[in-house]
Amino acid sequence: SQTIHQWPATLVQPVGSPLSLECTVEGTSNPNLYWYRQAAGRGLQLLFYSIGIDQISSEVPQNLSASRPQDRQFILSSKKLLLSDSGFYLCAWTKNTEAFFGQGTRLTVV
Amino acid sequence: AQSVAQPEDQVNVAEGNPLTVKCTYSVSGNPYLFWYVQYPNRGLQFLLKYITGDNLVKGSYGFEAEFNKSQTSFHLKKPSALVSDSALYFCAVRDINSGYALNFGKGTSLLVTP
Repeated sequence: SQTIHQWPATLVQPVGSPLSLECTVEGTSNPNLYWYRQAAGRGLQLLFYSIGIDQISSEVPQNLSASRPQDRQFILSSKKLLLSDSGFYLCAWTKNTEAFFGQGTRLTVV
Repeated sequence: AQSVAQPEDQVNVAEGNPLTVKCTYSVSGNPYLFWYVQYPNRGLQFLLKYITGDNLVKGSYGFEAEFNKSQTSFHLKKPSALVSDSALYFCAVRDINSGYALNFGKGTSLLVTP
């Protein structure tokens, strides 16, 4: 069965520190991968999507970047975190008409 | 762009009563529509989807949704609400312009009272 792993579950980081969130998918190949951010427990904003290895598209300009070094691995990064980067980050994958989400990472920048 | 709108920030319903969470869509072409539920500090759980076929879609946990093309709506329904249904509900549409990502509505908080 298809599963998606996202870690860590929670993270507290100081302003100016780097960030690396990792997401891996099992049970499928060549999925489309996504990073979303949810602020204040409401709407989900698409940050990045990837249709293949090293193929990353950014939906909004920001302090974050994404990479896909392997088919089923998607990484969200920042060189220097801002307070405004705080939020709930969700990784997701789709294939055909199926879409699945990770359990999310609660990032607090202090 | 493909988008959905959820006009209600919150819906309150008594346990045992029917519930409806509203969603309208704006798409070019045939819409692929989804409903997800989110519990506090958790990921999204899939409830149901409409791709094609019957306008009434049945999903998980007794939920169903009715696709209405003339009203461009895809409302989520349940005949008898449970307290445990209290959560945040998201309607979404698949966007071919963003690598088939799901574009979400702002979410509707459902509160079911005993």
